[in-house]
Amino acid sequence: QQQVKQSPQSLIVQKGGISIINCAYENTAFDYFPWYQQFPGKGPALLIAIRPDVSEKKEGRFTISFNKSAKQFSLHIMDSQPGDSATYFCAAKQTSNTGKLIFGQGTTLQVKP
Amino acid sequence: DAGVIQSPRHEVTEMGQEVTLRCKPISGHNSLFWYRQTMMRGLELLIYFNNNVPIDDSGMPEDRFSAKMPNASFSTLKIQPSEPRDSAVYFCASSWTVSYHEQYFGPGTRLTVT
Repeated sequence: QQQVKQSPQSLIVQKGGISIINCAYENTAFDYFPWYQQFPGKGPALLIAIRPDVSEKKEGRFTISFNKSAKQFSLHIMDSQPGDSATYFCAAKQTSNTGKLIFGQGTTLQVKP
Repeated sequence: DAGVIQSPRHEVTEMGQEVTLRCKPISGHNSLFWYRQTMMRGLELLIYFNNNVPIDDSGMPEDRFSAKMPNASFSTLKIQPSEPRDSAVYFCASSWTVSYHEQYFGPGTRLTVT
């Protein structure tokens, strides 16, 4: 079964610090790697996404780094703010017309003021 | 746009009762997904539809679970009979197409089965 493994399970960062969340996938049948952000009581929402032919994508304070050979990708949050406190899910989209999203287990981030 | 609408937001029921969760996708979206979220298992895809047709229901845990999409603007997820282990947050999400990587999630229905 295709899997996406995410770590750490939880993360505490001081305001202004860098938050790093890592994911690894187990096969190559994926064509898109999105990250979703979920606040308590809300549904997940797309934060940023990357294609496997790109090694890095940056949007504001959020950056995805992608290592195709290692089958790993990570989310970096620069200058972390208390408002970034949420649960973050990495995901991988299957390469096919059916395009299922396979989600990681999630990382709960707490940014302390 | 109102986004994906789910109802009810909270449901408390007794074991053995029938539960029906409802979803209205974003207008114009052709694909609809039902997920279940628990602490132990994370986000699980239960079933998804494309153009109102079920494409993959391999994530439906048991025959007690069923889903329908009678038209482009409405879907239901039914659990009959419900069991305490069904307690979870159930999300509905929609997307422009089934192969698009961005899915728009609703606020979820928190189900508690006692």
